[in-house]
Amino acid sequence: AQSVTQPDIHITVSEGASLELRCNYSYGATPYLFWYVQSPGQGLQLLLKYFSGDTLVQGIKGFEAEFKRSQSSFNLRKPSVHWSDAAEYFCAARMDSSYKLIFGSGTRLLVRP
Amino acid sequence: GAVVSQHPSWVICKSGTSVKIECRSLDFQATTMFWYRQFPKQSLMLMATSNEGSKATYEQGVEKDKFLINHASLTLSTLTVTSAHPEDSSFYICSASRRAGNTIYFGEGSWLTVV
Repeated sequence: AQSVTQPDIHITVSEGASLELRCNYSYGATPYLFWYVQSPGQGLQLLLKYFSGDTLVQGIKGFEAEFKRSQSSFNLRKPSVHWSDAAEYFCAARMDSSYKLIFGSGTRLLVRP
Repeated sequence: GAVVSQHPSWVICKSGTSVKIECRSLDFQATTMFWYRQFPKQSLMLMATSNEGSKATYEQGVEKDKFLINHASLTLSTLTVTSAHPEDSSFYICSASRRAGNTIYFGEGSWLTVV
């Protein structure tokens, strides 16, 4: 079955520390992959996306993600986390010709001062 | 840039009544829009695909008679929650895409509270 998995429900990091949020997908081919961030009570903001080409993708707010076909993963990283990064992060995949997305369960990021 | 707008941002309605949420693509035509639902502290689940000029396609487990979707124009899709119950209280969010390109735009979302 097609699915997106985010194994970490919560992650807590100290401000200034590095961050990696995990995302794995299950699909017979390479899907289009996305990372979104959602602040409490707000809509979704696109951080970055991968369609093809360079497997290291740069996004907004200093985020990057690396697509690894062998691991069916698309992990999100940031070298130095800021307190304002505290939010819910969703990995999503587009797995067919339509524009509907399958979302992971989300990872809540908490940032310690 | 392209914007997808939802209205209202939040709504409170009485149990048993119906409520309509609009999703508009402001500067592009969208033949297809998508409606998602997000319960508190949960992920987004696709409810249905809204097709301009034809019937919506509903995901398994979503009641089509309860969640009426109308996509009467290339820039507007509406979701009507009929005979709303407290368990329908949720965050509803729509998305749309241009015909060209692979960018998916999300609306700001609509909070529905049924009391």
